[in-house]
Amino acid sequence: GQQVMQIPQYQHVQEGEDFTTYCNSSTTLSNIQWYKQRPGGHPVFLIQLVKSGEVKKQKRLTFQFGEAKKNSSLHITATQTTDVGTYFCAGRNNAGNMLTFGGGTRLMVKP
Amino acid sequence: GAVVSQHPSWVICKSGTSVKIECRSLDFQATTMFWYRQFPKQSLMLMATSNEGSKATYEQGVEKDKFLINHASLTLSTLTVTSAHPEDSSFYICSANSAGTGFSNQPQHFGDGTRLSIL
Repeated sequence: GQQVMQIPQYQHVQEGEDFTTYCNSSTTLSNIQWYKQRPGGHPVFLIQLVKSGEVKKQKRLTFQFGEAKKNSSLHITATQTTDVGTYFCAGRNNAGNMLTFGGGTRLMVKP
Repeated sequence: GAVVSQHPSWVICKSGTSVKIECRSLDFQATTMFWYRQFPKQSLMLMATSNEGSKATYEQGVEKDKFLINHASLTLSTLTVTSAHPEDSSFYICSANSAGTGFSNQPQHFGDGTRLSIL
């Protein structure tokens, strides 16, 4: 079945440093979504990427979808303490009937 | 925007008790809702897909008699953990997409989750 792997599992950064999490699927994806879950909270949708090679930006966050539509990344520039949380990618298969979540990357930011 | 409400947010009960969790779509109709389980510091594990007016589809390894799902209306799905035991303690969370179906590319909107603690 479809597997979505995400690395790293944990990341500690000093405030102001950059952060990147990577997502890899075992199969080609129809699209990929990214979510953020704050400690004690529920996942909140951030963005969806659909096109091969697509790049989208949200302020300090940059999302990329690989050319083969099997991998994706989320890059945060100059992290802030408000960026703390777990970032999940979720890939949808080509049939459209399955959304598989990656294991998540837990980001901790030291002030 | 689309809102999903989940209730209760926290339950503590004795072993052997059955616990019902409700998931409601507040401003849209959902023929399909999803139930996840999340252990501390781990990812979301899909338990089942709840289908309005028909039986839920359970993921491999999830006991359907243990986790009863009822999706009786277009805005409400319930998950009942029957005869709960300490190993059932977890964070249970539901979601639906704003199109209300299982095949849409629309983003998932999650409920606030239910922390279930079985003593």
